[in-house]
Amino acid sequence: TQLLEQSPQFLSIQEGENLTVYCNSSSVFSSLQWYRQEPGEGPVLLVTVVTGGEVKKLKRLTFQFGDARKDSSLHITAAQPGDTGLYLCAGLKTSYDKVIFGPGTSLSVIP
Amino acid sequence: NAGVTQTPKFQVLKTGQSMTLQCAQDMNHNSMYWYRQDPGMGLRLIYYSASEGTTDKGEVPNGYNVSRLNKREFSLRLESAAPSQTSVYFCASSPTGYGYTFGSGTRLTVV
Repeated sequence: TQLLEQSPQFLSIQEGENLTVYCNSSSVFSSLQWYRQEPGEGPVLLVTVVTGGEVKKLKRLTFQFGDARKDSSLHITAAQPGDTGLYLCAGLKTSYDKVIFGPGTSLSVIP
Repeated sequence: NAGVTQTPKFQVLKTGQSMTLQCAQDMNHNSMYWYRQDPGMGLRLIYYSASEGTTDKGEVPNGYNVSRLNKREFSLRLESAAPSQTSVYFCASSPTGYGYTFGSGTRLTVV
């Protein structure tokens, strides 16, 4: 049973388009992390959100943590080919727990 | 460069052979982890070490053993490799309760 669900599973868009990917759970998390993994590499941490309703921006990427701390979204504005990769969300229930990873959204941005 | 270093990057084993995957981090992190990543299965935790001197099983520990040699090093051993252990293996480290830093992975094929 996946504690974290991500949607869509696959996404292929044209350069310049906007997109949103989602991370959902029935569990409450103390914090939620987003990672990007490029082909042949390990995941790289993009952001951690810790407060319900929190919004963080990283250049063209906007991350939001749901008010109830059960879900999160990642919005990319004007996608570029360099945004191509697997986007993973990961939830942490308490500071001393292990992170739980979602299955990921595979994004392909076509020039 | 600071981070998590994994060796080897690629390995081919015959069924029944043994090998040890090495991992070292230079960020003074307390916690270290071993994951495997398979298509459609996401990242699955094999073993983790919350601190030097402790190790615990994760989601898929069967067929593996680990050693936390010191604070920097955490190795993963396959005693008798099986084709089902063909995968990409990632080592990660973190300060307790924060985001993970991953290595670049070991691509293992068991024939």
